[in-house]
Amino acid sequence: DAGITQSPRHKVTETGTPVTLRCHQTENHRYMYWYRQDPGHGLRLIHYSYGVKDTDKGEVSDGYSVSRSKTEDFLLTLESATSSQTSVYFCATQSSGGWETQYFGPGTRLLVL
Amino acid sequence: RKEVEQDPGPFNVPEGATVAFNCTYSNSASQSFFWYRQDCRKEPKLLMSVYSSGNEDGRFTAQLNRASQYISLLIRDSKLSDSATYLCVVASGGGADGLTFGKGTHLIIQP
Repeated sequence: DAGITQSPRHKVTETGTPVTLRCHQTENHRYMYWYRQDPGHGLRLIHYSYGVKDTDKGEVSDGYSVSRSKTEDFLLTLESATSSQTSVYFCATQSSGGWETQYFGPGTRLLVL
Repeated sequence: RKEVEQDPGPFNVPEGATVAFNCTYSNSASQSFFWYRQDCRKEPKLLMSVYSSGNEDGRFTAQLNRASQYISLLIRDSKLSDSATYLCVVASGGGADGLTFGKGTHLIIQP
């Protein structure tokens, strides 16, 4: 398995507060992704990164921002958390070898009250 | 909008039985196909890629029918450890936003 860690693993926060989730990888993979997973939905892409300082929006990017200042770290920020952002967030990394080389982190469970 | 449809289940299957899952996709330009496995409260993990000629990995067989836009996964001699949710995943291109995930099929293997 790729060396992907996510922090925190669990978080409870209140509506209106900013929240930052961290994804850290030790594989030197070029591509990194943030997904959310909700009941009744498949995993949905929030933002992704092709490399340092190179990010783009995914399908459900509203209310989220990202930053990638180092290859190994990809941060996801909820600028002002809402209850609709209660979800499980997965980070994924991918080498240049195609979709088969995409690996997921263990996930962060976020509850917004 | 790209769609990947799966029967959510749950499929309750006795140990040792054969079980099959199906998945349909809407984007005829899709290029790559995968089955992922996700255990309860865990991350998805790639189970196998799906090739046009069909492919097998031990007890698992995957088939692709491009004309019908249909993907299948067959599990033979099912084990208790096969209990999980199986995600059908389709890639429509090489771009980072190219993966579309199905909602998953929940499989429960009963002793």
